[in-house]
Order: sequence, then C-alpha cells, then structure tokens
Amino acid sequence: DAGVIQSPRHEVTEMGQEVTLRCKPISGHDYLFWYRQTMMRGLELLIYFNNNVPIDDSGMPEDRFSAKMPNASFSTLKIQPSEPRDSAVYFCASSLIGGAHNEQFFGPGTRLTVL
Amino acid sequence: TQLLEQSPQFLSIQEGENLTVYCNSSSVFSSLQWYRQEPGEGPVLLVTVVTGGEVKKLKRLTFQFGDARKDSSLHITAAQPGDTGLYLCAGAETNAGKSTFGDGTTLTVKP
Repeated sequence: DAGVIQSPRHEVTEMGQEVTLRCKPISGHDYLFWYRQTMMRGLELLIYFNNNVPIDDSGMPEDRFSAKMPNASFSTLKIQPSEPRDSAVYFCASSLIGGAHNEQFFGPGTRLTVL
Repeated sequence: TQLLEQSPQFLSIQEGENLTVYCNSSSVFSSLQWYRQEPGEGPVLLVTVVTGGEVKKLKRLTFQFGDARKDSSLHITAAQPGDTGLYLCAGAETNAGKSTFGDGTTLTVKP
C-alpha cells in the first residue's frame, strides 16, 4: 500500500484566498483524522471521520474551516478565507479500528503558508 | 479532558549516551502509542502498549506501560544521531475513535 497520500505538499497563498487540502487514506481504513501542527500548539486534532461520517469537529478553529469526506478514499480540508495565523503543517491520518488499538498512520503533511 | 504530559520537552545528548523520556496522565488508557517524527515528515508509529506493566523492545528502544495504564516511558540505549526526532506519545481511553497526543519530546543526538 502507498500509505496516506496528501496533496499538495506545500502551499503558499495570500490572506483571503481559499485553500483546499486533500487526503487519500490507506485503503480499507475506516477512520480518518485531520491534524494541525505548529511549534506553539503542537499537534491538534481538528476533526475526524468514521466510515465517511464526521464524528467530532470540536477542534475546528472556526467557521472558516470545513472538512468533507465524500467517499472512503478521499477527504478535503478547506479554509475560506485563509489568514496568516492558519500557517501550519496539516496532517491527515487514517486507522483501522477493531483490534488495532487506535494506531494511526500519518501522511507526509501539507505545509501551508498564508502571507 | 484527557491530558498527556511529556518530559523533558527538549533533550540534547551525545552519541552513545542513554536516555529516558516520559509520558504521564491522570487518565487510564486502553492503549498507548509512541510515534517518532522527523523534520518534514509525518509521525511514524513505533509501538503500541496495551497491558499494564507491559514492556516492549524495538532494537535499542525499550517501551514500558505503567501498571495502572496512566503513564509510559521510552528508554533509548546507546543513542545514535539517527534517533534524532520528535517523540510523541498518544493515548486512547477506548478502543475506537480518537487518541490524545502529548506535546512531544524533541531529541537531538550529536555525533
């Protein structure tokens, strides 16, 4: 398996622009997680899905952030409008629950810079 | 709200030294994972511990789960520059859904 795939790897945009981050989880995994990582706040869980259904979005900073999972092999995280404080590395992770003890497999991340 | 505290936050040692990092909580976990993250990459799973008192070894790395399943430690013997990275622990109260991640220990091993 290719592992969790994220795109783009790097994104530089200007304040106010819309940003869409993409994730393809490991085939067969039934949980998908979106995280944000910064030096100041560490790794923060934004939202997670089970079988394509959002379970907990309490970590989403504000209404500018939205996430979708239209099918088992694809998810997006959208920021509209983007702000400089959104600059961070965004990770997608997937896991297979059912005896797997919440072991998560992370993608390489998308480094977002908002100017 | 679960809280995982990792210590030390930063650790810089010479190649060949031994070290231990800690992960502590007031919550009981059904399982606990350790991950290592290298610059520019995502965290990579090292090990899962499930049973209180469990000890697992991965080459020079030894992982221990506390008897009460509230804490864990990672011991590295004869550290090498390749061990450099951010070490994260993550705990789950149940066997489904999300895990809580600690803030990590940044380890630098100097040649």
